[in-house]
Amino acid sequence: GAGVSQSPSNKVTEKGKDVELRCDPISGHTALYWYRQSLGQGLEFLIYFQGNSAPDKSGLPSDRFSAERTGGSVSTLTIQRTQQEDSAVYLCASSNRQGAEKLFFGSGTQLSVL
Amino acid sequence: EDKVVQSPLSLVVHEGDTVTLNCSYEVTNFRSLLWYKQEKKAPTFLFMLTSSGIEKKSGRLSSILDKKELFSILNITATQTGDSAIYLCAASNAGGTSYGKLTFGQGTILTVHP
Repeated sequence: GAGVSQSPSNKVTEKGKDVELRCDPISGHTALYWYRQSLGQGLEFLIYFQGNSAPDKSGLPSDRFSAERTGGSVSTLTIQRTQQEDSAVYLCASSNRQGAEKLFFGSGTQLSVL
Repeated sequence: EDKVVQSPLSLVVHEGDTVTLNCSYEVTNFRSLLWYKQEKKAPTFLFMLTSSGIEKKSGRLSSILDKKELFSILNITATQTGDSAIYLCAASNAGGTSYGKLTFGQGTILTVHP
């Protein structure tokens, strides 16, 4: 696609429910990143994909968080048993080669856990 | 632990003013410093700096990096209301896996009044 696409743009869920956030990167971009931005904070790294593999998952806050990428394209971030502290904007970014720092961001998913 | 600190955290100016935003970093295996503008949700790329002392310019915006003192500044001259946004600074780490993982600062919220 022309840009990084994320869905849904907004998600309201109840504490304890599972949620899935989707990212469709720019076509041909091999590197994909998930970041999280809490209110008034900078971006917090979650996970990095190169192709379908995730060489760095160090930013995932707990084992309730997982992500996968299939076909070297679409990625899904899953949060199980959501907690109120999971409320944040989840941003996905892609870049066109391994090690390229110029990231192209999607518009994010605003997650609200009630 | 890698760290990026921005100052000021917020800034309110009037149209026509010139502003300077600051970013300091402590990153192992530092590779480059990036500036992003975030207006709604999606951060958009402004500059990437890898060499000290070389100013990059784009219209009314300019930026420079000092790798000895570990900081960068972003200047905006003749500010306009459309410059109102969060300005994010990020440092990339070449790391062992040789990819562009970014560590973000907390951002500077710039508000430009007419």
